[in-house]
Amino acid sequence: GAGVSQSPSNKVTEKGKDVELRCDPISGHTALYWYRQSLGQGLEFLIYFQGNSAPDKSGLPSDRFSAERTGGSVSTLTIQRTQQEDSAVYLCASSLTGAVFNEQFFGPGTRLTVL
Amino acid sequence: QQPVQSPQAVILREGEDAVINCSSSKALYSVHWYRQKHGEAPVFLMILLKGGEQKGHEKISASFNEKKQQSSLYLTASQLSYSGTYFCGTEGSGNTGKLIFGQGTTLQVKP
Repeated sequence: GAGVSQSPSNKVTEKGKDVELRCDPISGHTALYWYRQSLGQGLEFLIYFQGNSAPDKSGLPSDRFSAERTGGSVSTLTIQRTQQEDSAVYLCASSLTGAVFNEQFFGPGTRLTVL
Repeated sequence: QQPVQSPQAVILREGEDAVINCSSSKALYSVHWYRQKHGEAPVFLMILLKGGEQKGHEKISASFNEKKQQSSLYLTASQLSYSGTYFCGTEGSGNTGKLIFGQGTTLQVKP
């Protein structure tokens, strides 16, 4: 079946603009995660959705970052008033459930460049 | 608290062995290992749950010592295809899939 998809694959924006990044998880997966990967760095946890529960937003770096998940499927990560330090690859992953023993399937990422 | 991986980078010749370590300052319930090739998404390798089990995947295996709060990934008789960056992800409660990943270990296998 189809894997996790993300769009756009690349996004170049000017400092101060808002951007929206989209993630389509694997059908039937109830858990969805967003990570940020800066150049040569590890995977930084941002936010986690599990079913209809309130999302775990503990990784969002500032109030300029927000995310929503509509209908338990597609998720959008929004960054307002982008800054140059927001430049990174934003990865989305989904898993069958939010259980600790489920593997996460990653999408190809969106490369965000803030000029 | 982010787990610490060591070494940060390693270069091998085909056929050589390598060990990548992942240590946490917090109690762990599980350790997850992923590999990311350059320009690609991370791909799952294995999960180790509390209990000190060892798992294997072809010539890649791992151990988990929850008392020492550390896990090791063993790559034996390395192949060119093993090149990439290896990440460990840790979870401390057993109640969530939320992982905190280490900074990664870059492995390069040369012919």
